[in-house]
Amino acid sequence: DADVTQTPRNRITKTGKRIMLECSQTKGHDRMYWYRQDPGLGLQLIYYSFDVKDINKGEISDGYSVSRQAQAKFSLSLESAIPNQTALYFCATRDRSNTEAFFGQGTRLTVV
Amino acid sequence: GESVGLHLPTLSVQEGDNSIINCAYSNSASDYFIWYKQESGKGPQFIIDIRSNMDKRQGQRVTVLLNKTVKHLSLQIAATQPGDSAVYFCAENKGGSGGSNYKLTFGKGTLLTVNP
Repeated sequence: DADVTQTPRNRITKTGKRIMLECSQTKGHDRMYWYRQDPGLGLQLIYYSFDVKDINKGEISDGYSVSRQAQAKFSLSLESAIPNQTALYFCATRDRSNTEAFFGQGTRLTVV
Repeated sequence: GESVGLHLPTLSVQEGDNSIINCAYSNSASDYFIWYKQESGKGPQFIIDIRSNMDKRQGQRVTVLLNKTVKHLSLQIAATQPGDSAVYFCAENKGGSGGSNYKLTFGKGTLLTVNP
């Protein structure tokens, strides 16, 4: 089983719809992140969380919200999806020693 | 402003050759740098990292070199194999207090293609 699991893996949604992407991890890490990846570009940080009570905006948080339901779960929501939010979304976890980040398999989101 | 960029978007090598992937950075405050490998349809995977107080670090078939004078980072892969074909990202971690040590800034990536 994957250490970091994202659901769904693929999703097509219509403009204006609300959609939630979910992430769960079994590594016991307290830090969780949501990144967005566009074709030919690196990963851009959307939101991050150091623990259940700590949520922080990243570089491109506009149009997104998150919820840290438990240490192991971190969900990303698009309140009203728009076409330029079409991208590949990755969840990641890190431990407190700031060593490597572990990424999920990604969610490919298409907004039509 | 801070940035992490790559010199070449694509690199094609023959199987068995050595590969060198380059990366330039501009943030002198970064406390360490990381290389990630992303295979098609998968999330990025950690390869190797290097602290800013080091200039070289070796792993299994990989070596990372850090030149702080010119703010340049490179990943060397020895005896490149078809399984090494992927996109490679460099990332820099900005250290410091106040929660700023969270942040990994990624470059755009280099596509490595290994020809048999």
